[in-house]
Amino acid sequence: EVQLVESGGGLVQPGGSLRLSCEVSGFTFSDHYMDWVRQAPGKGLEWVGRIRNKVNSHTTEYAASVKGRFTISRDDSKNSLYLQMNCLKTEDTAVYYCARALIDRITGSTMFDYWGQGTLVTVSS
Amino acid sequence: DIQLTQSPSFLSASVGDRVTVTCRASQGISSYLSWYQQKPGKAPKLLIYTASTLQSGVPSRFSGSGSGTEFTLTISSLQPEDFATYYCQHVNSYPLTFGGGTKVEIK
Repeated sequence: EVQLVESGGGLVQPGGSLRLSCEVSGFTFSDHYMDWVRQAPGKGLEWVGRIRNKVNSHTTEYAASVKGRFTISRDDSKNSLYLQMNCLKTEDTAVYYCARALIDRITGSTMFDYWGQGTLVTVSS
Repeated sequence: DIQLTQSPSFLSASVGDRVTVTCRASQGISSYLSWYQQKPGKAPKLLIYTASTLQSGVPSRFSGSGSGTEFTLTISSLQPEDFATYYCQHVNSYPLTFGGGTKVEIK
């Protein structure tokens, strides 16, 4: 059974830092791209960023709203994905989801076929 | 960046109704569009990818169509478990973006 379990959320002051983790099981983690998506309270979904697999050199992409402040990394030996969040702002308050990105072999398109349950990050003084 | 505009943002429907949600992209994205369903307090669930391919395990009453800039999600006969919020998402280029969502409520 595929499982993604986020942890590390909590209350942090503006300007502070937090590191989220996503531990996965049930599939070959090292083969897959992985993404972070967030959802502010009562709002829609916002893509945060992506890390590619080892074949693609673990390269990353970020939304403009977090670029330079957030860093996505992974440890394939631990089946774990991370989101290091620095210089946090009140507008970063959200539930953060990790998601597996599946690549459609015919079109090259990607889609998020498995998601974690989310972890809440609250940025407030 | 590519913007996705969903309409309507809210709709009220009855069990058995045919429901259509539209997603318009600010520029052409070929068929690089997915649809997700989200229920309160839960993670989103993949329904459709590459505009019209039904994800495994998703009921056949869900269908997707479109290419380029205009896409639709159709529920042929709304069931009680379908009351939720639906999001489109493009994967054509970075940054990936989601539409604003369409909340489907019981009439």
